[in-house]
Amino acid sequence: DVKVTQSSRYLVKRTGEKVFLECVQDMDHENMFWYRQDPGLGLRLIYFSYDVKMKEKGDIPEGYSVSREKKERFSLILESASTNQTSMYLCASTLVSGAEAFFGQGTRLTVV
Amino acid sequence: QKEVEQNSGPLSVPEGAIASLNCTYSDRGSQSFFWYRQYSGKSPELIMFIYSNGDKEDGRFTAQLNKASQYVSLLIRDSQPSDSATYLCAVLLTGTASKLTFGTGTRLQVTL
Repeated sequence: DVKVTQSSRYLVKRTGEKVFLECVQDMDHENMFWYRQDPGLGLRLIYFSYDVKMKEKGDIPEGYSVSREKKERFSLILESASTNQTSMYLCASTLVSGAEAFFGQGTRLTVV
Repeated sequence: QKEVEQNSGPLSVPEGAIASLNCTYSDRGSQSFFWYRQYSGKSPELIMFIYSNGDKEDGRFTAQLNKASQYVSLLIRDSQPSDSATYLCAVLLTGTASKLTFGTGTRLQVTL
């Protein structure tokens, strides 16, 4: 079975902190994604990556950056956390474009 | 216009009835369509995918795709209380190698 693992289930950070969310997949998938999920807004794509060191902006990239130095790991970085970044963050991966997306367990981030 | 639209619900159906979930999309060239189920507090998991016009059946689930009308639907036969969840429609948009876009989801409640 494909496993997508996010480093934390719950995080509480202070406004202005630099925050790192880590995601690791174990099935050699090409594509990796970061979404945030908010009530009434669904899943919104922040960034995705289709190869090592490659990244593409999603629909809401402002205030975020990403890093993919190894194929299995995709990191989401909040450069200076703000309260409006309080959300559920979901990492996903797909073997190839158009294939099934497998999700991590999610990280509920609270910025105070 | 949103790229992928769903009625947020809740859609309430009695146990044993057919639940019909609908999704419309704006990109006429989209080729890949997915239905995910998300239980409260959990990550989305794939139920079905469909690429061609028509119906695709898998057990109690049937996905229907009509590209001319730009809608995709999910039918759940013999609905069970365990089907109560949020159902997310996802579309792989054209011109973007990997960008999987989700609707906001429809909450389904199956009542006893």
